[in-house]
Amino acid sequence: EVQLVESGGGLVQPGGSLRLSCAASGFTFTNHWMHWVRQTPGKGPVWVSRINPDGSSTDYADSVQGRFTISRDNAKNTLSLQMNDLRAEDTARYYCARDFFWNAPDCWGQGILVTVSS
Amino acid sequence: EIVMTQTPLSLSVTPGQSASISCKSSQSLLRSDGKTYLFWFLQKSGQSPQLLIHEISSRLSGVPDRFSGSGSGTDFTLTISRVESEDVGVYYCMQGGRLPPTFGQGTKLEIQ
Repeated sequence: EVQLVESGGGLVQPGGSLRLSCAASGFTFTNHWMHWVRQTPGKGPVWVSRINPDGSSTDYADSVQGRFTISRDNAKNTLSLQMNDLRAEDTARYYCARDFFWNAPDCWGQGILVTVSS
Repeated sequence: EIVMTQTPLSLSVTPGQSASISCKSSQSLLRSDGKTYLFWFLQKSGQSPQLLIHEISSRLSGVPDRFSGSGSGTDFTLTISRVESEDVGVYYCMQGGRLPPTFGQGTKLEIQ
């Protein structure tokens, strides 16, 4: 069974940092691009970042460029998102997601809440 | 970035009836290679989104043939024929052909 399990979320003050992790299992991790997508209640999902299978290529939404860093450890089947200089508008549920085809995920984790507030 | 606009924002149908959701993009999604990377997702209450359709009209394995997609260029439609209670949730269109990938704001489907 394909599984993606996020961890590392929580409450952080503005300007603070958090590192999200995603443990992947049930599929060949090294065959897939991976994404982080976030969503606030009642709104559509918003793409955050993606990384290619060997970790050599990354892309980011303009809103997080320069503050967030996506990475992966293929030996441990783990995807990460380092989030620095967090802002209130980064508050959301963050999903780790496996790419199916052209940036459309076919498998999503359950999501992890990140709250940026003083 | 490409803006995806869905209508209606909510839809209430009787079981067995059909439902249609429109999705319009701010730019043509037709690429120079002739491909159009338009996708449809369903998010049920308390769950993560699930991919239903890729490339406008191709259903993923296991998706009932009651779900069909159509359209081209900037105008796309998801049609659910013979709606069932399990189809309740929020439907999103998404374009994946140009970075950043962008989603519509969602259409909530309810059963009367």
